[in-house]
Amino acid sequence: RKEVEQDPGPFNVPEGATVAFNCTYSNSASQSFFWYRQDCRKEPKLLMSVYSSGNEDGRFTAQLNRASQYISLLIRDSKLSDSATYLCVVRSNDYKLSFGAGTTVTVRA
Amino acid sequence: ETGVTQTPRHLVMGMTNKKSLKCEQHLGHNAMYWYKQSAKKPLELMFVYSLEERVENNSVPSRFSPECPNSSHLFLHLHTLQPEDSALYLCASSHLDRMGEAFFGQGTRLTVV
Repeated sequence: RKEVEQDPGPFNVPEGATVAFNCTYSNSASQSFFWYRQDCRKEPKLLMSVYSSGNEDGRFTAQLNRASQYISLLIRDSKLSDSATYLCVVRSNDYKLSFGAGTTVTVRA
Repeated sequence: ETGVTQTPRHLVMGMTNKKSLKCEQHLGHNAMYWYKQSAKKPLELMFVYSLEERVENNSVPSRFSPECPNSSHLFLHLHTLQPEDSALYLCASSHLDRMGEAFFGQGTRLTVV
């Protein structure tokens, strides 16, 4: 079983729509969680950390469900600039960081 | 614009060549990392350096040899690579206790012929 699994998508949504997707992780002892975005042929960039109580950053909302071992990302009022691959990242111990293969989101005009 | 700079951006090398990738960060971080990203695969953490000492090596073949002369610079020395080593090699830095909040360089796209 992969350490971090994501639906690869693509999720094709119109501008203004809401899109949400999950990521599951296999290690119940995982300590911290993050979402990164990666544009085509660019480096990954940190989008947001995911806190136990859930957190929002503008149009982006992240949730953590430890019991079911998944995290989610919801994007409201999608913009064309939100088109990217979203990487789920899980830190399981001091030096182990596991990345998902990414979920591709395409926002169309 | 990035606080982590990698050179070269593109590299084509033969299987008998020796080359080095360079990474530089000016963010005041105390940890630096090498990652490998192959097509359609997740990023793989290769090496972790903290305060110029290697603290993690994720079973990377010896044909990849990292070097960290100081907290701002990181190298990846390459020799006798295989075609399957062709990938995007990304350098990143962070504060070690915030390893998940990393800043990445733009990467070196390596092709082994």
